Amino acid sequence: DAGVTQSPTHLIKTRGQQVTLRCSPKSGHDTVSWYQQALGQGPQFIFQYYEEEERQRGNFPDRFSGHQFPNYSSELNVNALWLGDSALYLCASSYFERDSYEQYFGPGTRLTVT
Amino acid sequence: GEDVEQSLFLSVREGDSSVINCTYTDSSSTYLYWYKQEPGAGLQLLTYIFSNMDMKQDQRLTVLLNKKDKHLSLRIADTQTGDSAIYFCAESIRSTDKLIFGTGTRLQVFP
Repeated sequence: DAGVTQSPTHLIKTRGQQVTLRCSPKSGHDTVSWYQQALGQGPQFIFQYYEEEERQRGNFPDRFSGHQFPNYSSELNVNALWLGDSALYLCASSYFERDSYEQYFGPGTRLTVT
Repeated sequence: GEDVEQSLFLSVREGDSSVINCTYTDSSSTYLYWYKQEPGAGLQLLTYIFSNMDMKQDQRLTVLLNKKDKHLSLRIADTQTGDSAIYFCAESIRSTDKLIFGTGTRLQVFP
C-alpha cells in the first residue's frame, strides 16, 4: 500500500515563474491538505481539498491555488513566484467521512526560487 | 487565536529520558499531535491525544496533557540516537481540520 507520494522531489524556479506540484493521497483517502514549511519553521497550512473543492484555506495569497481530481490526487499551483516562496511543500491526506484523526504526510517537494 | 510554542533545542544522553514541551492557545482544540521530522524528510505521526484525556502511553512514548494550562508534553523513555530529529507539536479543532504546528524542537542525542 503506497503512502502519500509527491512529485517532483526538488524544483528550481526563477522569480516570476509559475510552478505546479503534485500529490497522490494514501490509498482510501479522499482529502488532501497542503502545507508550506520554510527553513527552520513549522509547516503552515495552505488549503485543503475535499470532493474536488477547496474546503479550508490558510492565510496565503491568491497566487496559491489548487485542484483536486476525481481520483483524489491534487495539484498545488503557485504563480508569480517570489524568493520567499522557497520552502518544502508538504501534502497530507486523510479520510474525511470516517473522522480519522490521522493525517499522513508525503516526503515533500523542495522548491527553490532564485 | 492560534499559536503553538515549543522550545527550540534539547540535548540528552543516550539512554536518558527526553521531555519535549509545548503550549497552545486555542482552548477549542480537540486533537493534539506529536510529529517527528528527520533531515530532508516529511512528517511522521508519532502519537496523538484527545483533549478529554490527561495521559496516553505508547511504548516508549508518554504524552501528558494539562488542559487548564494548555500544556502538552512528550516523554521519550530510553532515548536512542535514532530519536535525533525535530519534533513538532500540532493542534486541530476537528480531526479533519487544518493542523496548527509549533516551530519544532530539535532533539540531539549524544552517546
